[in-house]
Amino acid sequence: EIVMTQSPATLSVSPGERATLSCRASQSVSSSLAWYQQKPGQAPRLLIYGASTRATGIPARFSGSGSGTEFTLTISSLQSEDFAVYYCQQYNNWRGTFGQGTKVEIK
Amino acid sequence: QLQLQESGPGLVKPSETLSLTCTVSGASINSGFYFWGWIRQSPGKGLEWIGSVSNSGSTYYGPSLKSRVSISVGTSKNQFSLKLTSVTAADTALYYCARSADTAILLATLFEYWGQGFLVTVTS
Repeated sequence: EIVMTQSPATLSVSPGERATLSCRASQSVSSSLAWYQQKPGQAPRLLIYGASTRATGIPARFSGSGSGTEFTLTISSLQSEDFAVYYCQQYNNWRGTFGQGTKVEIK
Repeated sequence: QLQLQESGPGLVKPSETLSLTCTVSGASINSGFYFWGWIRQSPGKGLEWIGSVSNSGSTYYGPSLKSRVSISVGTSKNQFSLKLTSVTAADTALYYCARSADTAILLATLFEYWGQGFLVTVTS
């Protein structure tokens, strides 16, 4: 099973600042990497797939990069609605495993 | 707009079978060749993909629960279901049903549409 490791566990950021979240895979997943946002009491929401493609309706301030085993989600200028937990997920070879999440909180 | 809704018993006794149904509205399960999956979320293990089923009935299961899981599609009611046998307290979680973002098998566990989640507690 491919293990996904996210860092940091918690990220404290001021509104308007940039947030950079990391995700590492225990083996190469090529570009089969997605990012989800989850707010309290809600289901995860697909933000990014294919490591860098934004899902429908996702603002341009969200961007993803990386391939192989190292991936990054960047939120260029944090808005109040962006404070949430973010999960990465690999879906290589149709099996999916998720990271433990990074909580982005208000500084 | 596609919507998914989980339902079933919220309390299950240890050693019994957990059974959940996902009702799909806004589109037919038969339209396209998407994959319909179950994911659970618990404080101890985070998000865990349980398994998925295609509208033709082909199933794909995650390794950790494979021996206890069965997922099936019931096209006559636009529903699909999850059965998890021999449950323990470790199976207490929020269970989500979801649809894949694409019809390709390699994207079977990339989920675009999610239900709101359903809490199942295993307790005697």
